[in-house]
This record gives sequence, C-alpha cells and structure tokens, in this order.
Amino acid sequence: ILNVEQSPQSLHVQEGDSTNFTCSFPSSNFYALHWYRWETAKSPEALFVMTLNGDEKKKGRISATLNTKEGYSYLYIKGSQPEDSATYLCATNSGGYQKVTFGTGTKLQVIP
Amino acid sequence: NAGVMQNPRHLVRRRGQEARLRCSPMKGHSHVYWYRQLPEEGLKFMVYLQKENIIDESGMPKERFSAEFPKEGPSILRIQQVVRGDSAAYFCASSQAGLGVNEQFFGPGTRLTVL
Repeated sequence: ILNVEQSPQSLHVQEGDSTNFTCSFPSSNFYALHWYRWETAKSPEALFVMTLNGDEKKKGRISATLNTKEGYSYLYIKGSQPEDSATYLCATNSGGYQKVTFGTGTKLQVIP
Repeated sequence: NAGVMQNPRHLVRRRGQEARLRCSPMKGHSHVYWYRQLPEEGLKFMVYLQKENIIDESGMPKERFSAEFPKEGPSILRIQQVVRGDSAAYFCASSQAGLGVNEQFFGPGTRLTVL
C-alpha cells in the first residue's frame, strides 16, 4: 500500500506572495507523480505529470519539481492570486500500475 | 470531445434504498476509477475497472457496494441498502488503455445524500 503524504494540510497566503508545498511518497518502484488542482464544487484538474528524477514542469505561475531518489515533489506558486485558491492534490502510481494513490491534499487560500 | 460525464449530479436516497451512479468515460478511454470523498476528507480510491473486468476493488466496502463496466454503456457504481454514512461525493475518472503515466481525467462527481 502506497502512503502519499502532503504538507501542510492547509495554508493561507496574501495575494502576491509566493508559496510552495510538499508531496512525499515511497521512492521504491516509483513510476509517475501527478499534481491536480481541485476547486471547491468542481472536479480535480490535472496540472502536471512527472516521471524522471529531476523533472521540472511549469504552467504559468505554477511549477513543480520531482526527486524520485528521496521521494518528494514540490509545487510552487509564484505571486499567488485569489483564483489560485483550491486544494492541490498529488498522486503517484508505482511500477506502471494503473492504480493511482492520492494524498489528502494541501488546501490553499489566497487572501486578497 | 466530451469529458468524463457523471449522472446524476445530485442524488437523494432514504436509508435502505439503492443508489446507482453512472460514469461515461472520455472517448477512447477504457479504464475507469471510482473515488469517494467523505465530508472533510480527501479522495479515497474505491475500484478500478476496464471494460467488463474489475482490476482492483481493494477500496470497496465488502458489503452493499458493487461496480461494473459493461462492454456497452457507462460504468455503474451501485450501493444497496444505503446508510447515512454513505453520504459523500463520488468521483469517477478515466484514462487511456495501457500501462504508463496514466493521467486520469475526472468527472464532476455525484453528491449522494442519504436521509
């Protein structure tokens, strides 16, 4: 059973501040790491998928890095905006297996 | 190209009734996953299906819950004799065939309320 952990559980930041949060996962038999953005009353939306150690992905003001050797990924948001308020989920599947295990998410609230 | 569709979006049932939740995957996707979100909790895996096969149901309660993904038609999550604790949001996701990165696309969810 995979254990995917995210921290912090929640955070509040001021508009314009940059922030980051962590996803940790078992490094053995790693295959892929996914980040999703989940707004209240909507469905999770895929942000990034990363497979290689050292991968970095960027979409606008949001970027992510991956360290498969030590089993963690960081998600960064530069210059947070109120519309960034959401829960950010990470998930991993190991060994190419289709089942994806989700962390419990980091709930971000950006205060105008 | 429609995304993952779920219906109904909201479902109200009385204790003891049956709930049927439907999920139509994205076009070209043959893998379907069901997740449950209990109040104040994250997404919990329930079951993973391919057409006509259950691949992994390790997250399904042993009783009252079943899932199918027939050759034709949507995937169905069925909850028999619902209890108040079944009240939750149920999300379906789909992905393309084959091993690999397995990006999942989520539907809008069905919110089940048991009275």
